[in-house]
Amino acid sequence: EVQLVESGGGLVQPGGSLRLSCAASGFTFSSYEMNWVRQAPGKGLEWVSYISSSGSTIYYADSVKGRFTISRDNAKNSLYLQMNSLRAEDTAVYYCARWEGAFDYWGQGTLVTVSS
Amino acid sequence: SYELTQPLSVSVALGQTARITCGGNNIGSKNVHWYQQKPGQAPVLVIYRDSNRPSGIPERFSGSNSGNTATLTISRAQAGDEADYYCQVWDSSILFGGGTKLTVL
Repeated sequence: EVQLVESGGGLVQPGGSLRLSCAASGFTFSSYEMNWVRQAPGKGLEWVSYISSSGSTIYYADSVKGRFTISRDNAKNSLYLQMNSLRAEDTAVYYCARWEGAFDYWGQGTLVTVSS
Repeated sequence: SYELTQPLSVSVALGQTARITCGGNNIGSKNVHWYQQKPGQAPVLVIYRDSNRPSGIPERFSGSNSGNTATLTISRAQAGDEADYYCQVWDSSILFGGGTKLTVL
């Protein structure tokens, strides 16, 4: 069974940093492209970042470019999102999602709250 | 930049057919995917590449895509179909529509 479990969310002050993790199991993690998608409270889905299976290709949404860094450790079956210079508008549930031409599996999400 | 337009809400009587649209410039030339999200839950893929159903998704869910509109059709709507539905494409980056709240009356 495919499982994606996010962790690392919490309350952080504006300008602060946070590192999210996503532990994958039930599939060959190193063979799949992965993404982070977020959802602000009461709002729609917003794609954040993409990473290829090898980690050699990376894309970011303009809203996070230069502040967030996506990475992966295929030996540990893990996906990461390093978030720096956090702003109030980054407050959201962050989902990791597997990409197989579409987002075919999603984690349950981890809540990031940016507030003083 | 490319935009996807969805109605904020759609209502359907129990057992009837609901149609949720996703508008975009020449969207018929793109692969459109649809996600269902129930309150407090993660999204679930219900249609991929315009009209394909993942395993486990009922045949009541179908999709089409032509011209400037993609459509998610839910036949014989059930109370359990009440959810937010999002369309998604890849156009230089991954884009989601704003989402449509489906209410089953």
